[in-house]
Amino acid sequence: GDSVTQMEGPVTLSEEAFLTINCTYTATGYPSLFWYVQYPGEGLQLLLKATKADDKGSNKGFEATYRKETTSFHLEKGSVQVSDSAVYFCALLPAYSGAGSYQLTFGKGTKLSVIP
Amino acid sequence: DTGVSQNPRHKITKRGQNVTFRCDPISEHNRLYWYRQTLGQGPEFLTYFQNEAQLEKSRLLSDRFSAERPKGSFSTLEIQRTEQGDSAMYLCASIGANTEAFFGQGTRLTVV
Repeated sequence: GDSVTQMEGPVTLSEEAFLTINCTYTATGYPSLFWYVQYPGEGLQLLLKATKADDKGSNKGFEATYRKETTSFHLEKGSVQVSDSAVYFCALLPAYSGAGSYQLTFGKGTKLSVIP
Repeated sequence: DTGVSQNPRHKITKRGQNVTFRCDPISEHNRLYWYRQTLGQGPEFLTYFQNEAQLEKSRLLSDRFSAERPKGSFSTLEIQRTEQGDSAMYLCASIGANTEAFFGQGTRLTVV
């Protein structure tokens, strides 16, 4: 079945540092790919998405590019802020139900802490 | 309506009792998911509805869990004979035509 693997956390960075959180996936065809963020005590929020190969999703200074050749969707931000401290989840949604699943599949999450 | 609504936000129940949670999705969304999330873990898929049809259910899901979505609008998730291992955050999400899933704030269940 489909799966998502993302780098283990926690990740601790100083403010203004560069952030990369790796995400790779296994799926049939061309799934849609997402990054979700969960701030402390809050629900899951969509951060960005990409629906086809070479698409770049971006939002709030975060970016991720859909790489079909490496089955990856790594999250990057050039300069993190304390307010970016949260748990980040990579996820995929199958392109079609032919593979037998409609699941929106999540990785285990990466906790990011940004210190002043 | 600006989002997915879940009720109650918190539920404490004694082991062996039945509980029911409700999810009201974004009105024009025809796809609805239930997930379970425990501390430090990613959301775990429970079940999926397209309109009123339950099209997929996790193979790991105990038969004590059941979900409905009458008329393709709100959905309910019932857990019968609760166990301490059922303690978790239960999340509902709905998806519209653009494939973006919107999540509710969740229902936190504590089984004592």
